[in-house]
Amino acid sequence: KAGVTQTPRYLIKTRGQQVTLSCSPISGHRSVSWYQQTPGQGLQFLFEYFSETQRNKGNFPGRFSGRQFSNSRSEMNVSTLELGDSALYLCASSLLYSGTSGRGSSYEQYFGPGTRLTVT
Amino acid sequence: EDQVTQSPEALRLQEGESSSLNCSYTVSGLRGLFWYRQDPGKGPEFLFTLYSAGEEKEKERLKATLTKKESFLHITAPKPEDSATYLCAVQARIQGAQKLVFGQGTRLTINP
Repeated sequence: KAGVTQTPRYLIKTRGQQVTLSCSPISGHRSVSWYQQTPGQGLQFLFEYFSETQRNKGNFPGRFSGRQFSNSRSEMNVSTLELGDSALYLCASSLLYSGTSGRGSSYEQYFGPGTRLTVT
Repeated sequence: EDQVTQSPEALRLQEGESSSLNCSYTVSGLRGLFWYRQDPGKGPEFLFTLYSAGEEKEKERLKATLTKKESFLHITAPKPEDSATYLCAVQARIQGAQKLVFGQGTRLTINP
C-alpha cells in the first residue's frame, strides 16, 4: 500500500510570494492533517480536513489556508510568505478524523516525507 | 494549560545500554497517546497507540507503557539504527475540539 506522498519535496521562495503544497493520503484514508515543524517550535498543528470540510484549525494566521478535494487529496496554501514560514511542512492521513475517533478506535496518523520550504 | 513534555531532550547511549524516555501530559479527557519515531529530514513514523492507564505495547526493542499522567518508551539493548528523535502526541479535547498535541521530542543517539 502506497504511503502518504507530498509534492514538492523542496521549495525556495522569496518574501511576499505565495506557495501551494500538495498531499495525497493513503488510499482509503479520508482525513488529512497539516503540520508545521521547526527546530524551535516542534510540530505545530495547522488544520485537519475530512470529507472536503475543515474540521479543526490550529493557531496560525489567515495567510495559511487549505482545502481537500473529493478524492481526499489536499492542498495547503501560504500567501505573503515571511521569513518565519521557513519550515518542514508535514501532511498526515488517517482513517478517522479527530471528532469521530474514540477509545479503542483508530486515530493513528501516518505522515508523508514533508515539504522543506525555505523563504529568503 | 494543556501540555505535553518529553524528557530528556537528548540522550546518548552505548549500544546495548537500555534506557527509558518519558512523556508527561497535563490534558483532561485523554483519548489516546501516540509514539512516533522521526529520522532527520523525514516525516514521523507511527510506532504505538495507548488508550488506557496500565496498557503496554511492544515492538522489537521498544515497549511503551501508559499511566494516568505519563508514558514511557523503554528501549532494550538498543542498536545504532535506533538512533532517531522520538515524539509523543496526545489526543485530547482542547478548546472545544479534539486535537493532537505533540511534545518537543527526545533525540536519541546510540553509539556503536
